[in-house]
Amino acid sequence: EAGVTQFPSHSVIEKGQTVTLRCDPISGHDNLYWYRRVMGKEIKFLLHFVKESKQDESGMPNNRFLAERTGGTYSTLKVQPAELEDSGVYFCASSRDVNSYNSPLHFGNGTRLTVT
Amino acid sequence: GNSVTQMEGPVTLSEEAFLTINCTYTATGYPSLFWYVQYPGEGLQLLLKATKADDKGSNKGFEATYRKETTSFHLEKGSVQVSDSAVYFCALDNYGQNFVFGPGTRLSVLP
Repeated sequence: EAGVTQFPSHSVIEKGQTVTLRCDPISGHDNLYWYRRVMGKEIKFLLHFVKESKQDESGMPNNRFLAERTGGTYSTLKVQPAELEDSGVYFCASSRDVNSYNSPLHFGNGTRLTVT
Repeated sequence: GNSVTQMEGPVTLSEEAFLTINCTYTATGYPSLFWYVQYPGEGLQLLLKATKADDKGSNKGFEATYRKETTSFHLEKGSVQVSDSAVYFCALDNYGQNFVFGPGTRLSVLP
């Protein structure tokens, strides 16, 4: 099966600009997650979709971040306007079930975002 | 809340050396524990996992034992290879709550 794919792999933008990251989960995976790793620190949870619904968005840092998953397939994460502290690697993951032992998370390669 | 602590890196070893990367956690109840690995230029991959006390996860020569009494899940490998160079993340999942990752430990293995 095809894995989780993310686009773009790298993005360099200026402060104040807008960037949209895309994630295509594994087909049939209802659960989709966004995480990010900033400045080599721990990977932090951003939000969790079950199909097209936001199950948990407690990790979204502020209202400059907007995530959507229209139709319950791919997801986008928009940052508008971007700030310097948004630089980092944004990971997407998907799973078939919420039970992680039987249905582990499958991660994409991540999008490296650099805000200058 | 849930949290994961890992030994700080980077860790640099010679080929065939013994590897230990310490991981301890804080959580209520009985979380599942995981080690993920990120090879250069790739995404996170599940390396091994354990779901209850005294379970041992193993894969590719790596092992980790779920120690409830010490709240630890240390990663070990008896003889590392250059190809093991990567960043290793310890993580927990507490009854379907969202994953909590440690900060990652970069391992470099020299020939």
